[in-house]
Amino acid sequence: DTAVSQTPKYLVTQMGNDKSIKCEQNLGHDTMYWYKQDSKKFLKIMFSYNNKELIINETVPNRFSPKSPDKAHLNLHINSLELGDSAVYFCASSPRTSGTLAKNIQYFGAGTRLSVL
Amino acid sequence: DAKTTQPTSMDCAEGRAANLPCNHSTISGNEYVYWYRQIHSQGPQYIIHGLKNNETNEMASLIITEDRKSSTLILPHATLRDTAVYYCIVRPIKAAGNKLTFGGGTRVLVKP
Repeated sequence: DTAVSQTPKYLVTQMGNDKSIKCEQNLGHDTMYWYKQDSKKFLKIMFSYNNKELIINETVPNRFSPKSPDKAHLNLHINSLELGDSAVYFCASSPRTSGTLAKNIQYFGAGTRLSVL
Repeated sequence: DAKTTQPTSMDCAEGRAANLPCNHSTISGNEYVYWYRQIHSQGPQYIIHGLKNNETNEMASLIITEDRKSSTLILPHATLRDTAVYYCIVRPIKAAGNKLTFGGGTRVLVKP
């Protein structure tokens, strides 16, 4: 079974559309994340949720709205898609955010490649 | 978070040890060194982490200098499947939100 699964794997859409990417983890983790990897291959964190509560929002445009219905799911909804949103989006999870984090390893999904035309 | 400097790329021979350096000269006492790798078209994968002692697991060894300003990830017997981008990351013990800050990494090509 895949520990962190994202759907869809590929998403091609037109500018201005609204789309969602889903993420689910079956590891029993408390914390989930969204990262964006652009064409230059730099990975940057976008959001972090702990037990359905927003912990990190890294200056991401308001068009991006994460939603966590429960701690096993963190979906990413994007409104009014722009060309610059084209990237690979990775979901990740880790056991927790509190306490000593030395062994708080993040597990990543396989990514969703978003292409905005 | 402290910044890291890694070579952009390196090649190594299959079956030989691969030694990946990382400089983190501004690391502070409460920051760990983590290594992740990203194989093509996959998400990043945790490899190993350490504070000041050398560490070894089933994937790799991590050697941290005594002054903690640099470290080396060692893949003892590189295979073709180890071809990937390797990221060295330093992060405080209690990073806000457990954030990982990725740099450019080292693109490692294992050749037959």
